[in-house]
Amino acid sequence: DQQVKQNSPSLSVQEGRISILNCDYTNSMFDYFLWYKKYPAEGPTFLISISSIKDKNEDGRFTVFLNKSAKHLSLHIVPSQPGDSAVYFCAATGYGNKLVFGAGTILRVKS
Amino acid sequence: DGGITQSPKYLFRKEGQNVTLSCEQNLNHDAMYWYRQDPGQGLRLIYYSQIVNDFQKGDIAEGYSVSREKKESFPLTVTSAQKNPTAFYLCASSPRQGGYHGYTFGSGTRLTVV
Repeated sequence: DQQVKQNSPSLSVQEGRISILNCDYTNSMFDYFLWYKKYPAEGPTFLISISSIKDKNEDGRFTVFLNKSAKHLSLHIVPSQPGDSAVYFCAATGYGNKLVFGAGTILRVKS
Repeated sequence: DGGITQSPKYLFRKEGQNVTLSCEQNLNHDAMYWYRQDPGQGLRLIYYSQIVNDFQKGDIAEGYSVSREKKESFPLTVTSAQKNPTAFYLCASSPRQGGYHGYTFGSGTRLTVV
């Protein structure tokens, strides 16, 4: 039972354009969401997070949007750069439980 | 600088052998985790430990074993019972149980069965 789903295995975007990565969750107990970025042969690194009391959080080129009624969140990267090419994992938690990760989306930014 | 160190970066194992992957952290984190990454399958939890001398099975614990004798160390043994051990293994830690503080990951160990 996948509680966190990233339905797009991969996404290809032109440099300078917007990248939108999507994530859906099924567990209504989740109240905190994180995005991690992972390069090949390296560990994931924290990118940005959002609490369920907010619907948007920005950090430079990265913005995460949360739609609680739809149980959906998205990560926007504007403008996209070739160095953004990586695997992006969505993760969720609630009530002090472990993080639950999605399967990841491979982002390729073409120059 | 604080962080998590995984060693070795690459490991080759013959079929039927047990191997142990090292994970050490100097972040003073209570909780530690082991994940396995396979292409297209994301991160799957093998074992986790919330405190010294205590650990719990994750979603895919069969064929693996762990120990947590020290707060800083959480080694993973891949036993011969693990049918498909070739994968990328990631160790992570967090200040305490739960995900609100996020996880810090090591750089991973690539295990290949030859």
